[in-house]
Amino acid sequence: GAGVSQSPSNKVTEKGKDVELRCDPISGHTALYWYRQSLGQGLEFLIYFQGNSAPDKSGLPSDRFSAERTGGSVSTLTIQRTQQEDSAVYLCASSPDSLNTEAFFGQGTRLTVV
Amino acid sequence: QKEVEQDPGPLSVPEGAIVSLNCTYSNSAFQYFMWYRQYSRKGPELLMYTYSSGNKEDGSFTAQVDKSSKYISLFIRDSQPSDSATYLCAMSAYLTGADGLTFGKGTHLIIQP
Repeated sequence: GAGVSQSPSNKVTEKGKDVELRCDPISGHTALYWYRQSLGQGLEFLIYFQGNSAPDKSGLPSDRFSAERTGGSVSTLTIQRTQQEDSAVYLCASSPDSLNTEAFFGQGTRLTVV
Repeated sequence: QKEVEQDPGPLSVPEGAIVSLNCTYSNSAFQYFMWYRQYSRKGPELLMYTYSSGNKEDGSFTAQVDKSSKYISLFIRDSQPSDSATYLCAMSAYLTGADGLTFGKGTHLIIQP
């Protein structure tokens, strides 16, 4: 596709369940980023992939969060044992050659934990 | 103090007005400054970026950076109701790399027809 695609668009889950969020970056973009946007808050940087590698996972909020990227393309963000404070919009972005000036975002996954 | 401060608004102006949106920041290492537009329930859309201090113009948008004051601005000329959105500033110390972007919280702009 022409842009960054994220699925699902919306996800409602019960507290304690695991969820998996998917991101399909722009074709050819080597870098992929995950951000979280909570109500009334700015975008919070979570993790960066260069190819399939994430050199620094310290931005992930807790050890319940994990992310992987395969084939230098699709990435999944997994949240285990979801909590209500995990409710937010999770945004994925990709960029060519890891350029911070050309990060293009998907429409996001709105996660609601009830 | 947050690294990037941005007035959340809402900022309401009449159609055709010149709009000024601003961010201040504290990290003097920031060199790359981006502006994004975000419509309700959509992802942020990159409008433009500026490197270091100076001005940059793109269509109806002008971005200004004053590194000495740690202050950046986005001007929108001849504003239209379709410009109504949340505008996010973002910045980075490096052109490439693993640290991601640091965002302001966004300013909600309303252009009144």
